Amino acid sequence: AQSVTQLGSHVSVSEGALVLLRCNYSSSVPPYLFWYVQYPNQGLQLLLKYTTGATLVKGINGFEAEFKKSETSFHLTKPSAHMSDAAEYFCAAINSGGSNYKLTFGKGTLLTVNP
Amino acid sequence: EAQVTQNPRYLITVTGKKLTVTCSQNMNHEYMSWYRQDPGLGLRQIYYSMNVEVTDKGDVPEGYKVSRKEKRNFPLILESPSPNQTSLYFCASSFEGARNQPQHFGDGTRLSIL
Repeated sequence: AQSVTQLGSHVSVSEGALVLLRCNYSSSVPPYLFWYVQYPNQGLQLLLKYTTGATLVKGINGFEAEFKKSETSFHLTKPSAHMSDAAEYFCAAINSGGSNYKLTFGKGTLLTVNP
Repeated sequence: EAQVTQNPRYLITVTGKKLTVTCSQNMNHEYMSWYRQDPGLGLRQIYYSMNVEVTDKGDVPEGYKVSRKEKRNFPLILESPSPNQTSLYFCASSFEGARNQPQHFGDGTRLSIL
């Protein structure tokens, strides 16, 4: 079964510093991959996705992620953190085949941005 | 505006009192799904539906029921709620055959079962 691992349940950075949130997936067939952000008391908002094509994908709010098949990874980065980036981030995968469009989520990474 | 609407947003209730959380989408999506979110566990799928009258279990279906009588609605039913169903619930939807497209999520329903 598909699994998604997010390394680090809590990441703390200073404002202006690099943000790096790690995500690894388990399947031998690369799934479609997504990063979602959840602000307090809100639903999930899509940051970016990888399906096929260019392995470096850009999303909203200055975030980007790189799909690396050899490392089964899809890490999320942002060059310079802003206070408004403080939120919980979820990496998710969906198998490219099968009858269920189930998203398999990582356990989430809470990002804290310090002034 | 395209959206997934859940109601209620918050509910505190007692063990054994049947409750229904409604989910409605206005995007004509065939696929709908329910997830629960628990601290340290991420989101886990409860049930899903590929279309009207087509539903199936996800990873954690015990204690829940669903129905899909209309394309836009996908209610989640807790016939006899228990404290271990205290959680944050999300409904999601997407087009069938578009698994490479992001699913749309509602704003969530926070249930507390005492």
